[in-house]
Amino acid sequence: SYELTQPPSVSVSPGQTASITCSGDKLGDKYVCWYQQKPGQSPVLVIYRDSKRPSGIPERFSGSNSGNTATLTISGTQAMDEADYYCQAWDSSSAVFGTGTKVSVL
Amino acid sequence: QVQLQESGPGLVKPSQTLSLTCTVSGGSITSGSYYWSWIRQPAGKGLEWIGRIFTSGSTNHNPSLKSRVTMSVDTSKNQFSLKVSSVTAADTAVYYCARGNIEAAGPLDYWGQGTLVTVSS
Repeated sequence: SYELTQPPSVSVSPGQTASITCSGDKLGDKYVCWYQQKPGQSPVLVIYRDSKRPSGIPERFSGSNSGNTATLTISGTQAMDEADYYCQAWDSSSAVFGTGTKVSVL
Repeated sequence: QVQLQESGPGLVKPSQTLSLTCTVSGGSITSGSYYWSWIRQPAGKGLEWIGRIFTSGSTNHNPSLKSRVTMSVDTSKNQFSLKVSSVTAADTAVYYCARGNIEAAGPLDYWGQGTLVTVSS
């Protein structure tokens, strides 16, 4: 089965840039989404189609996807961005979520 | 603004069938290019996709769960449902329903608040 691997944790200082990677075989051939999940809340879509932001998502969130790795970048990270982040892609007709990354803003 | 709300028993006995319903409000379940999905999350763990259903009734399932999962849609009630048979403690999780956007390459753009289902005798 298809797997997406993320680093368990990423730490970033306020105002700095956080980069979260998502790795999978030939991931660049697929579209990738990213979701943000804060404790006790439902996931929220922050990036779709590799790099598009839904309405209401701040411009500091951006995404890219090439080769075997997709990356979610949070520029000028704020304390409110502290959360778990999950990548997601489709393999045939099945959705696959990444292992998740906890972003800590220290 | 589309809203989704999960409902169903919070406690299910082992070997029995877990049944959940998701009610969609703020729009018709048949309008637009959407599919309807179930995702679960055990406490302290990651997201697991269970499956999706289109309003035509067509479904796709997570291969790891396929034999135990049944999904249906009731367009007259603006609802879709999930059944998971032969449950064990490993099925204990928060279950989310969500809307998928076909035209945008399939992202899950609206989620319910989630409902905790515990499998225990």
